[in-house]
Amino acid sequence: GAVVSQHPSWVICKSGTSVKIECRSLDFQATTMFWYRQFPKQSLMLMATSNEGSKATYEQGVEKDKFLINHASLTLSTLTVTSAHPEDSSFYICSAREDLPGYTFGSGTRLTVV
Amino acid sequence: QKEVEQNSGPLSVPEGAIASLNCTYSDRGSQSFFWYRQYSGKSPELIMFIYSNGDKEDGRFTAQLNKASQYVSLLIRDSQPSDSATYLCAVNPSGTYKYIFGTGTRLKVLA
Repeated sequence: GAVVSQHPSWVICKSGTSVKIECRSLDFQATTMFWYRQFPKQSLMLMATSNEGSKATYEQGVEKDKFLINHASLTLSTLTVTSAHPEDSSFYICSAREDLPGYTFGSGTRLTVV
Repeated sequence: QKEVEQNSGPLSVPEGAIASLNCTYSDRGSQSFFWYRQYSGKSPELIMFIYSNGDKEDGRFTAQLNKASQYVSLLIRDSQPSDSATYLCAVNPSGTYKYIFGTGTRLKVLA
């Protein structure tokens, strides 16, 4: 089945620094990937749609200058949290889809900003 | 606002019993429906998907869809402690490739 790899699995950073998260489709090409954020005991909230070769589409209320998305190849999308603050601490998950219905999720990245 | 509603639980069932998880959605034009399982601290994994009214069975899992009533359910037969997790309902509204997730139902299977 489709495998989506996400790195790092966890990261701790200082307030004001930037963090990059990578999402790779290992055995298939993904023209579209999605980035979600999940706070404790809450559901997944779609942040943005990452489109290979074009600009990402951000959901309402998500700051595109803070959450930079780059989808430079058919197997890699990156999310950079710029000038991170403690309120950005969350579980970030990417997803992509191969042929079968349903999106496959990466393993997630737990970001803690101190 | 297109919404997906789930009871947050926890839903506690004894081992071997049937667990019934429910989900309602607001967008009547939704076409695709998915159930994901999420263990604590992990990312969701797809269990079932259903497109047509009626039941769809896969092993111990049965997904049920009623578009007229706008609900989708997941039955887990012979529940095992390893089934203890949060179950997320996801709906693909009409005219979009996005998924809208419910808040999830936490299931506890008691040994």
